[in-house]
Amino acid sequence: DQQVKQNSPSLSVQEGRISILNCDYTNSMFDYFLWYKKYPAEGPTFLISISSIKDKNEDGRFTVFLNKSAKHLSLHIVPSQPGDSAVYFCAASVMNSGYSTLTFGKGTMLLVSP
Amino acid sequence: GAGVSQSPSNKVTEKGKDVELRCDPISGHTALYWYRQSLGQGLEFLIYFQGNSAPDKSGLPSDRFSAERTGGSVSTLTIQRTQQEDSAVYLCASSLLAQGWTGELFFGEGSRLTVL
Repeated sequence: DQQVKQNSPSLSVQEGRISILNCDYTNSMFDYFLWYKKYPAEGPTFLISISSIKDKNEDGRFTVFLNKSAKHLSLHIVPSQPGDSAVYFCAASVMNSGYSTLTFGKGTMLLVSP
Repeated sequence: GAGVSQSPSNKVTEKGKDVELRCDPISGHTALYWYRQSLGQGLEFLIYFQGNSAPDKSGLPSDRFSAERTGGSVSTLTIQRTQQEDSAVYLCASSLLAQGWTGELFFGEGSRLTVL
């Protein structure tokens, strides 16, 4: 039973355009959400996060939107750059449990073409 | 180095053999996690260590898998009698759990295991 779902295995975008990566979750206990970026042969690296008390968090070209009622979040990258080409993982956790593991989606491979 | 270090980076073994994968977390990080990524899959949680507390082993797929963390630092993941379905990239991550923890994990580069 997948609690975090990334239904698009891949996405292709032209340089300069907006990339929108989507993520859905089923566990209503999740209260913290993160996006990780992974290049081939490297470990995932943290990109941006959002608490469930917010609906938007922005960091430079990256913005994460959270729609709690729909149990949906999205990552917007604008403008997209070829160096953004990587696999993006959505992750969720229950932060108020005292400790937490992250539950990850299967990832979306983003390809930004020049 | 300052990051999470994993070894070996690549391991090819024959079905039925035992393997050990090592993780050296970031110094001072109290929490250590093992995840694995099989082909076409997301990151699957395996086990979690936090300080001196009993580990959360809820993600281990079978009793052939075990892990230990010595001295609150280095961790070893052991897979006994390996099977082909164990082939995956095994990722270790660490974090500094403290009030206001942002949930960010710091990952190593992974150990790619291939079972023939």
